[in-house]
Amino acid sequence: QQQVKQSPQSLIVQKGGIPIINCAYENTAFDYFPWYQQFPGKGPALLIAIRPDVSEKKEGRFTISFNKSAKQFSLHIMDSQPGDSATYFCAASINGNQFYFGTGTSLTVIP
Amino acid sequence: DTEVTQTPKHLVMGMTNKKSLKCEQHMGHRAMYWYKQKAKKPPELMFVYSYEKLSINESVPSRFSPECPNSSLLNLHLHALQPEDSALYLCASSQDSSRDTQYFGPGTRLTVL
Repeated sequence: QQQVKQSPQSLIVQKGGIPIINCAYENTAFDYFPWYQQFPGKGPALLIAIRPDVSEKKEGRFTISFNKSAKQFSLHIMDSQPGDSATYFCAASINGNQFYFGTGTSLTVIP
Repeated sequence: DTEVTQTPKHLVMGMTNKKSLKCEQHMGHRAMYWYKQKAKKPPELMFVYSYEKLSINESVPSRFSPECPNSSLLNLHLHALQPEDSALYLCASSQDSSRDTQYFGPGTRLTVL
């Protein structure tokens, strides 16, 4: 059973566009929601993370929106660049134990 | 220094070989993890070490044997693997297993012939 559902599977945007990746979960015990960025042949790198007591968090061009009642959270990438082309994984955890990853979104930013 | 290092970067082995993957971190983290990642799939947790003790084994076959010699080092010993075990093996660490931020290494690309 997939604990965290992620969509879309792939996404293509023009440079400067704002790709949005969505994730949904069922377990209300989750208390930490990170996003990871992974380039081919590399390990995932933590991009940004949020806790359920806030509805939005921004770090540079990356923003997480969190909707606790809907049990959904999303990643927005402002002014996207070709260098942002990567696979993005959302995840959820309880007390930092056992991370449940989404299935990943392959993002391509066209110059 | 927020780096987790892994060696080797690539490994090709036969089904009868014995090999080991190595992971190292010098961030003072007390939790270390092994993940397996297949192409275009999310990482799958294999093992968690907390304070040098194995705390989680996600029903991994015994042909994978983890070892944590000290708080900075994590090994994964491989024996009698199958071709379907070919994958990217990722190591990660966090301050302790109840803290949230996991830092991943670059992975070892394993091919089993």
